[in-house]
Amino acid sequence: AQTVTQSQPEMSVQEAETVTLSCTYDTSESDYYLFWYKQPPSRQMILVIRQEAYKQQNATENRFSVNFQKAAKSFSLKISDSQLGDAAMYFCAYGSSNTGKLIFGQGTTLQVKP
Amino acid sequence: DSGVTQTPKHLITATGQRVTLRCSPRSGDLSVYWYQQSLDQGLQFLIQYYNGEERAKGNILERFSAQQFPDLHSELNLSSLELGDSALYFCASSVDPSGRNEQFFGPGTRLTVL
Repeated sequence: AQTVTQSQPEMSVQEAETVTLSCTYDTSESDYYLFWYKQPPSRQMILVIRQEAYKQQNATENRFSVNFQKAAKSFSLKISDSQLGDAAMYFCAYGSSNTGKLIFGQGTTLQVKP
Repeated sequence: DSGVTQTPKHLITATGQRVTLRCSPRSGDLSVYWYQQSLDQGLQFLIQYYNGEERAKGNILERFSAQQFPDLHSELNLSSLELGDSALYFCASSVDPSGRNEQFFGPGTRLTVL
């Protein structure tokens, strides 16, 4: 069975600074996808970034980028130039290629200080 | 707005009761997923449907059941409710059941069992 672990329950960053959220996963599958979702206080789940396991190049979306280390089964999220609106719970998720079901980590609450 | 609608937004009921949560996927999406978010269990995959057929099952209790109708909307039925069933229930949809496609999440239904 696949598992996802986020070891940082809470993180804090100063506005305009950079922060990295950690995520590790375990799987025996060779074809899968990895995601970071943001959940603000509204509770809406918002996709931040996705990574295909077969791609070596790390995904980037504006201020958000990932460091995907397939051999180490590590998938961290880097947020550059942090903004107050980035404050939220962030979930790392594993997506099975066959079924598409998502397996989520425990989440990391990110606080952005002005 | 993700395009996925869920009703009702809030539901308060008593132990032992039965409730039905409804989800309408984005236009064109054939796959529907149900997730439960609770304080002690985190975000958990419950069940997936694709074009009316059950595709994958997760940690769904026997007291819970779901179906996807010909018009592609889905319903999650929760019966013999217990206090521990209090949670935020998300529906998500995607074009097909593979993991390559983004899942779009609805706003959730908050269930409170008293």
